[in-house]
Amino acid sequence: DGGITQSPKYLFRKEGQNVTLSCEQNLNHDAMYWYRQDPGQGLRLIYYSQIVNDFQKGDIAEGYSVSREKKESFPLTVTSAQKNPTAFYLCASSILTGYEQYFGPGTRLTVT
Amino acid sequence: GENVEQHPSTLSVQEGDSAVIKCTYSDSASNYFPWYKQELGKRPQLIIDIRSNVGEKKDQRIAVTLNKTAKHFSLHITETQPEDSAVYFCAASRGPGANNLFFGTGTRLTVIP
Repeated sequence: DGGITQSPKYLFRKEGQNVTLSCEQNLNHDAMYWYRQDPGQGLRLIYYSQIVNDFQKGDIAEGYSVSREKKESFPLTVTSAQKNPTAFYLCASSILTGYEQYFGPGTRLTVT
Repeated sequence: GENVEQHPSTLSVQEGDSAVIKCTYSDSASNYFPWYKQELGKRPQLIIDIRSNVGEKKDQRIAVTLNKTAKHFSLHITETQPEDSAVYFCAASRGPGANNLFFGTGTRLTVIP
């Protein structure tokens, strides 16, 4: 399970609070991604980054923010503006010239 | 953007039988089609993938076929075993440099012993 890690595994927050999910990789990958998964659905792209200090919105970026200050790290902040934040969040990484994405173990966020 | 549709949403088979899951995509520029297996609460694991320059790829009991003209691809699992029970996702992307994955909605496969 090494290579790409996410913490914590479970996270609980009250509505109205911002929360930051961690994603770290030691694979020397340039590209990193954040996906959201809801029950019975596929993964949907939130944000991605191909290089340090640069990132792009995916299909469902509203209510989320990211930063990419280091190649190894791509934290995701779920803001209070996200209307339905409870979900399973998956981080992934890949090399720029490669096809395969490697997924982290995920963080299950519950907001009440 | 890309739209990937996946069918069926649930599939039950007897142990030893074959299972087939089908996906269609909309973006003719997509050229990479991976299949992921996800067990409950775990990360998706890549089980097989295919690129648009081939029509079929096999890995032991698993095979994937691709029809670029019709924009559809399928996963075939032969001699199914109980440990094959999981949710399977297809995905599509334009490949390196633009390899954001667009996922289907998943198929829950149950193999009945």
